[in-house]
Amino acid sequence: AQKITQTQPGMFVQEKEAVTLDCTYDTSDPSYGLFWYKQPSSGEMIFLIYQGSYDQQNATEGRYSLNFQKARKSANLVISASQLGDSAMYFCAMRPLYSGAGSYQLTFGKGTKLSVIP
Amino acid sequence: DAGITQSPRYKITETGRQVTLMCHQTWSHSYMFWYRQDLGHGLRLIYYSAAADITDKGEVPDGYVVSRSKTENFPLTLESATRSQTSVYFCASSDRGSALGYFGAGTRLSVL
Repeated sequence: AQKITQTQPGMFVQEKEAVTLDCTYDTSDPSYGLFWYKQPSSGEMIFLIYQGSYDQQNATEGRYSLNFQKARKSANLVISASQLGDSAMYFCAMRPLYSGAGSYQLTFGKGTKLSVIP
Repeated sequence: DAGITQSPRYKITETGRQVTLMCHQTWSHSYMFWYRQDLGHGLRLIYYSAAADITDKGEVPDGYVVSRSKTENFPLTLESATRSQTSVYFCASSDRGSALGYFGAGTRLSVL
């Protein structure tokens, strides 16, 4: 079984500052993928960034980077230079990476609500 | 339109009624999923399908029925809706061999 823990129900950040959203995970799978999704107030789920457990480098996508620490089982999202439009719910998720029907389903954390202050 | 489409976007129904939520994807992805989102729970998997005519239960399947007669469609049916099924429902798809999944816009269901 997989488990995702997001310990920050809500966070505030000043506009233009960087912010880190925490995510820890638990899994017995040897190979897995980690994801971050953004959910604005409009409700859609927007994919932000992906990290494979065997990737040597931390993933980056524009202002988003994933601070992956495998030994600590953490996959924190770092948003640099926060913008007002970054205010949203953020979900960490994971799935095992193996061939099989059960390997494509995502397990989600409960989310962190980020509010960017002007 | 290319992508994954859910309908309706909003639905109000009464307890005991049957409701079907539709999901259609244009990519021919093998895998399709239904999640529900409730405050304080994040997204939880209801059912998933690995291919046409292959479905399996997720974390919270009770009260739901799915079918997948065609690769592109994955309807979710609440056979007798209950108030506890008031939620936002997301359909998602993923292609075999791909790490990424794609979400529909969601259906907000209220059961009165």
